[in-house]
Amino acid sequence: AQRVTQPEKLLSVFKGAPVELKCNYSYSGSPELFWYVQYSRQRLQLLLRHISRESIKGFTADLNKGETSFHLKKPFAQEEDSAMYYCALLLFNAGNMLTFGGGTRLMVKP
Amino acid sequence: ETGVTQSPTHLIKTRGQQVTLRCSSQSGHNTVSWYQQALGQGPQFIFQYYREEENGRGNFPPRFSGLQFPNYSSELNVNALELDDSALYLCASSGPPGQGITNYGYTFGSGTRLTVV
Repeated sequence: AQRVTQPEKLLSVFKGAPVELKCNYSYSGSPELFWYVQYSRQRLQLLLRHISRESIKGFTADLNKGETSFHLKKPFAQEEDSAMYYCALLLFNAGNMLTFGGGTRLMVKP
Repeated sequence: ETGVTQSPTHLIKTRGQQVTLRCSSQSGHNTVSWYQQALGQGPQFIFQYYREEENGRGNFPPRFSGLQFPNYSSELNVNALELDDSALYLCASSGPPGQGITNYGYTFGSGTRLTVV
């Protein structure tokens, strides 16, 4: 069965430090992966799609099929990056279901 | 362009009661999905509606049911409420299943906080 794992519940870094939010998935097919972010008192919103290979707000994520990972990275964290981050796997053969990880809370300290 | 709106924002129900949650999809979106988010966990897929029919379902019992209307808005109904149904219920809209979701992802509402006592 498909599964998304985010091993860290909380990640705390200082402003300007590099950030890596880990995401591992298990899925036998070709994965479609996303990162969603939820800032304080705001709704869940799309941050990145692996298919577009884009960089949003300085964040990037590379799909590594060998390691079944889709880690989210940013070279220099900003205080406004503090939020809840969710990795999600899209399954087309199950009603286009998004399977979410448990989330990682990123705290960027001044 | 309007986003996804959900109502009500908060709700308190008694165990055994029934509840209906409502969602209006973002303009231009014809697919609506519902998710349950328990405290401290990621959202879990309940079901998806496309063209007024259920297009997929997660691991939820039949007492969770839904509807989609011609204007693409949707309802989530939960019968015989249990204490474990207490959660944030999220509605998400998107373009058609397939490329519409891959290319643009889902747009989420702010959710309805349901408390069952």
